[in-house]
Amino acid sequence: DGGITQSPKYLFRKEGQNVTLSCEQNLNHDAMYWYRQDPGQGLRLIYYSQIVNDFQKGDIAEGYSVSREKKESFPLTVTSAQKNPTAFYLCASSIGPTDSYNEQFFGPGTRLTVL
Amino acid sequence: GNSVTQMEGPVTLSEEAFLTINCTYTATGYPSLFWYVQYPGEGLQLLLKATKADDKGSNKGFEATYRKETTSFHLEKGSVQVSDSAVYFCALGGLYNFNKFYFGSGTKLNVKP
Repeated sequence: DGGITQSPKYLFRKEGQNVTLSCEQNLNHDAMYWYRQDPGQGLRLIYYSQIVNDFQKGDIAEGYSVSREKKESFPLTVTSAQKNPTAFYLCASSIGPTDSYNEQFFGPGTRLTVL
Repeated sequence: GNSVTQMEGPVTLSEEAFLTINCTYTATGYPSLFWYVQYPGEGLQLLLKATKADDKGSNKGFEATYRKETTSFHLEKGSVQVSDSAVYFCALGGLYNFNKFYFGSGTKLNVKP
């Protein structure tokens, strides 16, 4: 089955530590996205990538970093510079960045808790 | 700018009641509109979409019509079930040079037996 996998489902981090969240897709999609979701709120875009070896900052990129070395993988690193990292993180992908009607497909999410 | 406004929740209904969740949008250009559903602890799943004015998206008994004149995309279902309890997100996408989505804040639906 094609889809998006995120791991781990739950992640605990001590303050001052960097942590990397995994996102893999086998949908052959060009575009990938990272969102942050806080309780009772909508989704905020952290980073997005339209193509391999290219990515752009979203609305709340400070304290985060990404890489896109392979089409199917878009890992997100939450650095110690992120002041309030406890949240639910969602990865998504879409066929391409320019089609006007293509939906984004979402992974199951990773819940990060800072202890 | 681009934005989506949804009615605040939670919305609590009895089983078999009629559901409406309001969604209005502001957009520069001609967006596509989407409804996503999120069950507790899970990611978002696409529920339905509409890509141009007057299109009606439908799935699993849910419907929404893209109304350009009122900039709305209200979600409706004639008879809700307990299993429909979830958070529903309206989203706007497909603008300009990359497929950035703009999400509403979500509306939580509770359906009581």
